[in-house]
Amino acid sequence: GQSLEQPSEVTAVEGAIVQINCTYQTSGFYGLSWYQQHDGGAPTFLSYNALDGLEETGRFSSFLSRSDSYGYLLLQELQMKDSASYFCAVRPPTGGFKTIFGAGTRLFVKA
Amino acid sequence: EPEVTQTPSHQVTQMGQEVILRCVPISNHLYFYWYRQILGQKVEFLVSFYNNEISEKSEIFDDQFSVERPDGSNFTLKIRSTKLEDSAMYFCASRASTGGTDTQYFGPGTRLTVL
Repeated sequence: GQSLEQPSEVTAVEGAIVQINCTYQTSGFYGLSWYQQHDGGAPTFLSYNALDGLEETGRFSSFLSRSDSYGYLLLQELQMKDSASYFCAVRPPTGGFKTIFGAGTRLFVKA
Repeated sequence: EPEVTQTPSHQVTQMGQEVILRCVPISNHLYFYWYRQILGQKVEFLVSFYNNEISEKSEIFDDQFSVERPDGSNFTLKIRSTKLEDSAMYFCASRASTGGTDTQYFGPGTRLTVL
């Protein structure tokens, strides 16, 4: 089976850097994605790692290490608007495009 | 910027009734999905659809559920006989292609309340 583990909550102050981890137990997948979801809103794509290493998109970076079954999302220069839930997700090689989401990490950004 | 749209935004129904949730994916996208999210919980995969047929479904997607792409633009999710536990937010998503990234674009969701 597949499972993705994330911390349930993270709190940080405005302007800081925060790392949200995602560890997984899955027999394989095509890549690790990250989505942001504000309260009452829809998930919004942030980043995707097909290969090991760091992907940078503005203030957000994502990292994947398949050998360690681990990935993370790094948010820099935190802003109040970054307060949201963050989900990691994988697409296992089942051939049918199924996507599995982690339980999500609720990020609270304080002034 | 193109976006996925969903109607209605909120649907209230009685237990046992049929509901149809509607989605218009982004026009040049090829892969379509339905997800469910119970309040405060994670996003759960229901079904993926490609080339006019279901490509994969989860254990949640039982015989009470069906999907259809009746024309070139709409993508619907039907629940034949709703149960209380079907109350959730239902998101439609679409994706352009398999190469390079798994980016899925989500619609705003339909909140389904079963009484």
